[in-house]
Amino acid sequence: GENVGLHLPTLSVQEGDNSIINCAYSNSASDYFIWYKQESGKGPQFIIDIRSNMDKRQGQRVTVLLNKTVKHLSLQIAATQPGDSAVYFCAEDKGTSYGKLTFGQGTILTVHP
Amino acid sequence: DADVTQTPRNRITKTGKRIMLECSQTKGHDRMYWYRQDPGLGLRLIYYSFDVKDINKGEISDGYSVSRQAQAKFSLSLESAIPNQTALYFCATSKWGGEETQYFGPGTRLLVL
Repeated sequence: GENVGLHLPTLSVQEGDNSIINCAYSNSASDYFIWYKQESGKGPQFIIDIRSNMDKRQGQRVTVLLNKTVKHLSLQIAATQPGDSAVYFCAEDKGTSYGKLTFGQGTILTVHP
Repeated sequence: DADVTQTPRNRITKTGKRIMLECSQTKGHDRMYWYRQDPGLGLRLIYYSFDVKDINKGEISDGYSVSRQAQAKFSLSLESAIPNQTALYFCATSKWGGEETQYFGPGTRLLVL
């Protein structure tokens, strides 16, 4: 069935390392993808988005890569900091339900000082 | 995001009680959403509204109802609360016109005894 899923439920890194969080999707009609960060006790916070006509988009210390051939999305965080520790969710807009997002399970990122 | 507020932030209620969770936004967005989040799971859509006169069921609407009192207000009601409705509830908003990014409130933690 259609789903947005994550390869790794948890990721532990050392401060200063680069982090890569992965997400797989199965609906080739999806045309918009978002990464959210959720800290304990807070609502999801927008990090970065990408449209299906792009392969890469960069923000401040974050990069999202989209590989439509294998339906794969990744979030790269450079020089990971303890404050980056959170749950990261990918979400997709399936196009046919414009404005409705489907969320993945989430990956727990833990950054060790 | 302070632009999206939810009340109450925490609520304990008993089985069979009717309760209402409220959401207000100052972002001027026309679209509003209600999600629930359970431990280890992603966000699941309960109801969504694309404008004041538009209400739509999400994937898990049974046992819930909503009211869009104004563009800025969207409330979620549990008609007769049951223990498996214990969860975190999030309200979100987005703007029509190509920007599907949803902005989330801080959440309401609900415990049904």
